[in-house]
Amino acid sequence: NAGVTQTPKFRVLKTGQSMTLLCAQDMNHEYMYWYRQDPGMGLRLIHYSVGEGTTAKGEVPDGYNVSRLKKQNFLLGLESAAPSQTSVYFCASSLDRFNQPQHFGDGTRLSIL
Amino acid sequence: TQLLEQSPQFLSIQEGENLTVYCNSSSVFSSLQWYRQEPGEGPVLLVTVVTGGEVKKLKRLTFQFGDARKDSSLHITAAQPGDTGLYLCAGVGLGGYSTLTFGKGTMLLVSP
Repeated sequence: NAGVTQTPKFRVLKTGQSMTLLCAQDMNHEYMYWYRQDPGMGLRLIHYSVGEGTTAKGEVPDGYNVSRLKKQNFLLGLESAAPSQTSVYFCASSLDRFNQPQHFGDGTRLSIL
Repeated sequence: TQLLEQSPQFLSIQEGENLTVYCNSSSVFSSLQWYRQEPGEGPVLLVTVVTGGEVKKLKRLTFQFGDARKDSSLHITAAQPGDTGLYLCAGVGLGGYSTLTFGKGTMLLVSP
């Protein structure tokens, strides 16, 4: 009963490096989301997708790109990592509407040196 | 942007005490969700409230949605160490077509 799986769980990058965070869900959900969580800032939406092949910007999209080539996967890319992107990243999914419960992964802890 | 303010930001209590956490906004929400997040894990949904004035109970937790659907509260009776965690409220704007907006959370620590 996996739900939402995020890989990797931890990563340390140097400034300027690139990487991709992978999110996979096995619940056949249409909607998927990427959030970052920083101390004192709560959860902030980076990008989201309302279905395979679609993506949209959230509250803090700058410096990130996403892709949803398959319904079950949602990828978050950092093209040129910056220290300000040090954070815990969460992926979530919901069935087919924004007001439905979101199911979260356990997060990726990313440090940019 | 619809803002949700949670108070208090941090709460440290002894086992057996009662507590209330508040979630307030100047905006009207079509529904409001409460999540609990434990260290090293993602948030997990506790409850969704939809109707103004609605009260839902989950064991020792009581959730209330304000009559005007601008605010909500979470009351815990006889708190236990297992209640320790970050409590997040999140709301969706009218029509249900806007994304979920999260409050910054209330960190609860219940000591034995």
